Amino acid sequence: GNSVTQMEGPVTLSEEAFLTINCTYTATGYPSLFWYVQYPGEGLQLLLKATKADDKGSNKGFEATYRKETTSFHLEKGSVQVSDSAVYFCALSADPGANAGKSTFGDGTTLTVKP
Amino acid sequence: DVKVTQSSRYLVKRTGEKVFLECVQDMDHENMFWYRQDPGLGLRLIYFSYDVKMKEKGDIPEGYSVSREKKERFSLILESASTNQTSMYLCASSFVQYGYTFGSGTRLTVV
Repeated sequence: GNSVTQMEGPVTLSEEAFLTINCTYTATGYPSLFWYVQYPGEGLQLLLKATKADDKGSNKGFEATYRKETTSFHLEKGSVQVSDSAVYFCALSADPGANAGKSTFGDGTTLTVKP
Repeated sequence: DVKVTQSSRYLVKRTGEKVFLECVQDMDHENMFWYRQDPGLGLRLIYFSYDVKMKEKGDIPEGYSVSREKKERFSLILESASTNQTSMYLCASSFVQYGYTFGSGTRLTVV
């Protein structure tokens, strides 16, 4: 079946540091890939997505590129801020004809950014 | 702005009570989902629905049921609440592969 493996956390960085959170996946077919962010006490919010190989998703300074050859979708940001402190989830969605496009989520990576 | 609304942010119920968690979306999405989130266990899918009156079991359906009588509303029912159902419950909706829109979550405590 489908699976998502995320870099284990927690990750602690200083403000303005470079961020990478690794994500690899296993899936049949051609899934769409997503990053979600969850701030304390909130639900998850879609951060960015990519629907086909070599697509780059970007939002709020975060980027991730869909790499089919390495089955990866690593999240990057060039300069993190304290306000980026949150839990980040990588996810994939199977073909829409199967299971309502149900997503498979990674376990989440907690990021703390210190001033 | 598109929205998924969960009826309560915090809920405290007694063991054995029947509990209803309500979720409403205003995006005309076909697909709706219920997850629970527990520390160290990530997100676990309870039930999902791809159309009105249709429902499918997720990974942990035991002790739960769902109802989808209208497209915009997806209810999660705890038939007889137990302390091991204390958790954060997250509702989401989606349109094909465009990603989920989540509600803010309901933190349920069963005492």
